[in-house]
Parts: sequence; C-alpha cells; structure tokens
Amino acid sequence: DIQMTQSPSSLSASVGDTVTITCRASESISTYLHWYQQKPGKAPNLLIYAASNLHSGVPSRFSGSGSGTDFTLTISSLQPEDFATYYCQQSYNTPRTFGQGTRVEFK
Amino acid sequence: QVQLVQAGAEVKKPGASVKVYCKASGSSFISHDINWVRQAPGQGPEWMGWINPQSHNTGYAQKFQGRVTMTWNTSISSVSMELSSLKFEDTAVYYCVYSISSGDYGFDPWGQGTLVTVSS
Repeated sequence: DIQMTQSPSSLSASVGDTVTITCRASESISTYLHWYQQKPGKAPNLLIYAASNLHSGVPSRFSGSGSGTDFTLTISSLQPEDFATYYCQQSYNTPRTFGQGTRVEFK
Repeated sequence: QVQLVQAGAEVKKPGASVKVYCKASGSSFISHDINWVRQAPGQGPEWMGWINPQSHNTGYAQKFQGRVTMTWNTSISSVSMELSSLKFEDTAVYYCVYSISSGDYGFDPWGQGTLVTVSS
C-alpha cells in the first residue's frame, strides 16, 4: 500500500495568513493526488484534484503543486471559513489511501 | 451532476452484519465508480472499495476482503455495502462517494454519511 504522510499534523494561524501543508507519498504517484477539506460533522469536500487543479466552486486562494512523491497545498490569505482539517489522498493505485490529516486552528 | 443520498444511522451488536445504502442519481453516474469510505471517530478517512454500476465490477481493500460486499441494485438505483462480523472498531461514519474510473479527478461528490455504531 502507498503510505501518505502529511505535515504538520496541526497548525495555528490567523486570518490573512498564508498556510502551507505538505503531503509525501511512499512511492511515486505522478500527479494522482487530491486534497480535501473537512469540517466537523460533515463529509470531506474536494478542493484540488490531480495535484494542481482547482475543483469547481473552490476559491482561488487554494492552490496545489507537486508531482512524484512531494506535494503542497497552499491557502493564501486564510479566511475564517478555512479553519478545518485537510487531507491528501492518492488515486495512483488501490487501495486508495489518505494522509492522516492536518488540522488548521485559529491562533 | 451526480447526487448521492444516504440514510441516517444503524446500531449493531458485535458479530452482526450491517447493510448501508446509497441512492444515486444524475447524469453519467452509472458509467463510473461508487466507492465506500469510512471514518472512525477522530480518525482520517479509510477507503474500503468500489463498485461500477454499469459493469457490476467491484474491488475491495485487502483489509476488508471476505467481510465486505458491494452490490448495485438497478431497480432502486442504489448501491449497498454490507459489512459482516462487526467488531467494536467498525464503529464509524460510512460514506459513499463517486469517482471517475481513471482516478484522475478525486472523490466527488460524497454522500452525507451513515453512522454505524457497534455496541453490545
């Protein structure tokens, strides 16, 4: 199975900050990497697909980059509604696997 | 636009089975995959497997092989996921979620989830 490792596990930030979350795959996954946002009691929502493509309706302050084993999710100018948990997920092969999550908290 | 709708909650005893349903609608959903992803309290999501409604092909994570069955019911346009020999650690929210078969576009949309509680 491909292991997905996110860092950090949690971070504290303020409104207006730029936040960067990294995700590392245990082997190369090309750009078969997707990012999700999850708020308490809700299903995850797709933010970025195929490493760098913004999903429909997602604000442009979210961006993704990377290929191979190293990927980044960047949130520019953090907004109050962005405080949530973020997950990466690979679809290079099965089983599909997720990172352990990064919780973005209010400083 | 694909839509996935799930029912609310189930409570089961250890050793029992649970069957969770997901009703699908919208254009083109039948051509691609419906996956099942579960999330235990305080944990990250965990993929369980997929089913293609058109071909009825399935694929299961090794962890659940022999214990999970995913089925498409054409007459009610619903996919079901049955998990047997339930253990306390199977307590989780179970989501159905759509994906393009190639894997290029991630998981979207998600059903609202069904809470399965395993309790004696």
